This record gives sequence, C-alpha cells and structure tokens, in this order.
Amino acid sequence: GAGVSQSPSNKVTEKGKDVELRCDPISGHTALYWYRQSLGQGLEFLIYFQGNSAPDKSGLPSDRFSAERTGGSVSTLTIQRTQQEDSAVYLCASSLAGTGNYEQYFGPGTRLTVT
Amino acid sequence: GDSVTQMEGPVTLSEEAFLTINCTYTATGYPSLFWYVQYPGEGLQLLLKATKADDKGSNKGFEATYRKETTSFHLEKGSVQVSDSAVYFCALSDTFVVADSWGKLQFGAGTQVVVTP
Repeated sequence: GAGVSQSPSNKVTEKGKDVELRCDPISGHTALYWYRQSLGQGLEFLIYFQGNSAPDKSGLPSDRFSAERTGGSVSTLTIQRTQQEDSAVYLCASSLAGTGNYEQYFGPGTRLTVT
Repeated sequence: GDSVTQMEGPVTLSEEAFLTINCTYTATGYPSLFWYVQYPGEGLQLLLKATKADDKGSNKGFEATYRKETTSFHLEKGSVQVSDSAVYFCALSDTFVVADSWGKLQFGAGTQVVVTP
C-alpha cells in the first residue's frame, strides 16, 4: 500500500521567504509527527498531532514555525521568514496510535535549502 | 528531560564481523526503545523495538535487549553484510504521559556503519 508521502522533495528558497511543506500520512493513521534532520542538531521532534486532540507543539524551534492538519489527514508545516539555520531535511511520520500498533512510518522527507 | 546517547561513528567493519552499537538513555517514565535504520538514499525505517524491561527486539539478524538496570539498548549483529551499511539511530518514546500512545521519538545522534567486502 501507499506509504507516507511528502512534497516537495526538494525546496530551495531565499532567506526571508515563507515556505510550506506537505505531508500525506498513511490512510487511517490517526497520529502524525514532524521531525527535522540537520547536520548540527541530528533528528529533532517538531510537532505531533493525535486525532482531534490539541497538537503537541513543544518541539517547534520558534514562532516562525507552525503546522496544521486538516480533516485529520494531510498536514502542512509552514516556516515564515526562513533563515539559513532552517536548512534541513524535514521528515513526516504517521502511526496507528491508540490501536495497539504504534510503529511510526516515515516519509522520504523534504530537503529545504535556504540561501 | 529524556535523552539518548549512542556511540559516535563511523564504525568500519569487514563483512562477517560482529557489530555492536552502544545506546544508553535517560527517561523519567517507562520508555519504549527503538532502533531505526537509514540506508543510503532512503528514508528512516524501524529496525526493531522493545516495550519493557528485559524484552528483546530482533529483526534481520539484529538484536537489542532492553536493560533497565543499565538504561541501555545496545544493538548487535553477529555477522554483518555489505548491505548493512547505513546510519543507525537509537530512539525512545516515553509512554508515561499519554496512555495508549507512543508519542514523540527522542533520537540519538546516529551511528554510521560502513561494511567493506
């Protein structure tokens, strides 16, 4: 079946511009996570959505970062006024949280380069 | 807060050698422990997991045992192949706060493993 998909696969943007990254989770997965993988910081948790509960935003590095999940499915991560330190691979994962099968399935990531 | 520490790489081995990657953790609750693998050019994949003390996770010839007394989850494989060349990440998820949910993953820095023929 289809896995987690992310778009775009690569994004190059100028410093100061806004970007939107998209994640399509596996159908039926109620939990969705965003992580960031960068050379200096390794793999970091950003934000977590579980069903209709309020998201866990504790990993967002600044108020320039925000995310939403519409209809319990697709999620968009938005970075406003991008900075060079935002350059990283942004990973999305989904899981069947709460059903006894909790493995997180990761998408291929979006490589963001801020010039 | 929770944290994961794993040995730095790269680890370079010959084919059929024994592989160990050390991983230790700090957690306030009762975490579940994972090893993820990232093959060159591919996304993160779950390799194995253990949900409670003394559990052993295993997959593809890899094993790791959840040791609460030493707060460790070392990854081992008895005979590596060139195809095992990848970056391996140890991770934990603290299940204490939210019932029936694994929650966010806290990752170690990753260990690159290079297996030569």
